[in-house]
Amino acid sequence: SQQGEEDPQALSIQEGENATMNCSYKTSINNLQWYRQNSGRGLVHLILIRSNEREKHSGRLRVTLDTSKKSSSLLITASRAADTASYFCATDDGGYNKLIFGAGTRLAVHP
Amino acid sequence: GAGVSQTPSNKVTEKGKYVELRCDPISGHTALYWYRQSLGQGPEFLIYFQGTGAADDSGLPNDRFFAVRPEGSVSTLKIQRTERGDSAVYLCASSLSGTGTAQYFGPGTRLLVL
Repeated sequence: SQQGEEDPQALSIQEGENATMNCSYKTSINNLQWYRQNSGRGLVHLILIRSNEREKHSGRLRVTLDTSKKSSSLLITASRAADTASYFCATDDGGYNKLIFGAGTRLAVHP
Repeated sequence: GAGVSQTPSNKVTEKGKYVELRCDPISGHTALYWYRQSLGQGPEFLIYFQGTGAADDSGLPNDRFFAVRPEGSVSTLKIQRTERGDSAVYLCASSLSGTGTAQYFGPGTRLLVL
């Protein structure tokens, strides 16, 4: 079963624009992670935010977490064509290390 | 090693055959995970090892699937009597021990069952 649901399913923007992706989940969590995947192969870890954190930054990435709404957002600023990929949020289920992924957001950044 | 490695990168087999997929985690990572990803979906958890033992195998779909990690490093995912529905990308990840650490994924093995 999938815990996280990303929104939108697909996003198409121009280079230089910002991209915002949202994730909702169902149960209590210890942390939430965002991953990027190119061409349907290995996932690249982007950022981890713990349940007691509200916002985290890494380079052009900004992640927010609202545990009261069970939602998170990933903002990519000043997007580049190389950001074109699928982005997934993943949560634990409150207890163990296994990750539960959503179906992802497919981002296309056009030059 | 620099990252998680998986072999083979692609595997084509016939229905009913047995396959083994190998994962070599990042050196020093005690936790190892297997996931399966179907086209257009996010990865689905299969099994988690802490050291040599399977701490959580609740994601294995049925008893045709089995995984081992005998020395606490390399892991092998074994699928018996493969079915066409087993076709997917099988992803391995590893992480430092402890809850709430980032998982680092390998490139995956694309399994096609004809």
